[in-house]
Amino acid sequence: NAGVMQNPRHLVRRRGQEARLRCSPMKGHSHVYWYRQLPEEGLKFMVYLQKENIIDESGMPKERFSAEFPKEGPSILRIQQVVRGDSAAYFCASSPQRTAISGNTIYFGEGSWLTVV
Amino acid sequence: KNEVEQSPQNLTAQEGEFITINCSYSVGISALHWLQQHPGGGIVSLFMLSSGKKKHGRLIATINIQEKHSSLHITASHPRDSAVYICAVEIQGAQKLVFGQGTRLTINP
Repeated sequence: NAGVMQNPRHLVRRRGQEARLRCSPMKGHSHVYWYRQLPEEGLKFMVYLQKENIIDESGMPKERFSAEFPKEGPSILRIQQVVRGDSAAYFCASSPQRTAISGNTIYFGEGSWLTVV
Repeated sequence: KNEVEQSPQNLTAQEGEFITINCSYSVGISALHWLQQHPGGGIVSLFMLSSGKKKHGRLIATINIQEKHSSLHITASHPRDSAVYICAVEIQGAQKLVFGQGTRLTINP
């Protein structure tokens, strides 16, 4: 049973380009979360999705950022017109159900490191 | 003030020492997670707690809901335990984690 798979692991983009980060949750997991870790800062929640639905996007910047989790395929975090401040590690995590209720833990991917030059 | 505070921020110890990392939070939670992040960045979930105490190998995690405090203990520490340990809480009614700043642990041989 493969873990949470993220790709690319490292991505370099010039200012103004688009970045697409992909996350395949663990098999059987229908809940996906995206977190961002800025340099020298702690992790911050961005968005929580279930299949075809955005449940909570309160941590997403209002502009340029979007996320989806289609019926088929991985979850995508999309950053349009990237700026230097978007340089960060982006982590995806998944769980089979609501963790606190089900007692299931949350599983993290290895992260995608975005560098904007 | 952050909703989740960890202490210490940095901790250096000798191999074999007993390690304690503390986490305090100021909000109502449904669960608390302890995570480990190694150099290179991957994050591993160590424990999820909603009450009491859990043990896994040399790691022990406790939580006191009334005092809004959790501790992570490492017994017989080893250089391979060197990592950043992160406390994260699930806010009541929300399915998202709020993270502490992390504790950077270095165990010297």
